[in-house]
Amino acid sequence: QQPVQSPQAVILREGEDAVINCSSSKALYSVHWYRQKHGEAPVFLMILLKGGEQKGHEKISASFNEKKQQSSLYLTASQLSYSGTYFCGTVHNTDKLIFGTGTRLQVFP
Amino acid sequence: SQTIHQWPATLVQPVGSPLSLECTVEGTSNPNLYWYRQAAGRGLQLLFYSVGIGQISSEVPQNLSASRPQDRQFILSSKKLLLSDSGFYLCAWSRQMVADQPQHFGDGTRLSIL
Repeated sequence: QQPVQSPQAVILREGEDAVINCSSSKALYSVHWYRQKHGEAPVFLMILLKGGEQKGHEKISASFNEKKQQSSLYLTASQLSYSGTYFCGTVHNTDKLIFGTGTRLQVFP
Repeated sequence: SQTIHQWPATLVQPVGSPLSLECTVEGTSNPNLYWYRQAAGRGLQLLFYSVGIGQISSEVPQNLSASRPQDRQFILSSKKLLLSDSGFYLCAWSRQMVADQPQHFGDGTRLSIL
């Protein structure tokens, strides 16, 4: 029951916005978001708990729609440092975290 | 503050050789510990996780095994490596209660099987 992310890849110019979606086939307890730069370990961005909350981290924010079993990550006014692969991770019934398929984001000057 | 150490950073091993990767966490007690594998250009596959000393849950049947001999030590082993074992191995920790606690990753071990 690996969550599915879309799009698979995004190419942006600096200053442009992007949205990355994460969908699960099972009811969600929480959604995690991580960013992994090439050759490095994933780094935690934020967690959203059920309740439809939104969170922000610098110019990156996320929403969680519990009914639709979906989460979206919003990257506003993208910077070169935003490049990397973004993974969502879903938790069902407070069990283990299952990582999504990943979205590769490239930001060019 | 908490830190996680993982070594070695890179490893080249022949097919059929044994493997031992070690991970230690500092600055916290009774963490959840995880081993992930990532094939080139792919996602993160959970291999094992542990909620306490001697408690190991296996996610994928394979020729790998894990052990947790001490509270903050997690070891990934194999008796005979296969070509398909190549990949980027990541150790991670979190506080108990997975749902609302982030996972923190070590720097990873890049394993190449020849």
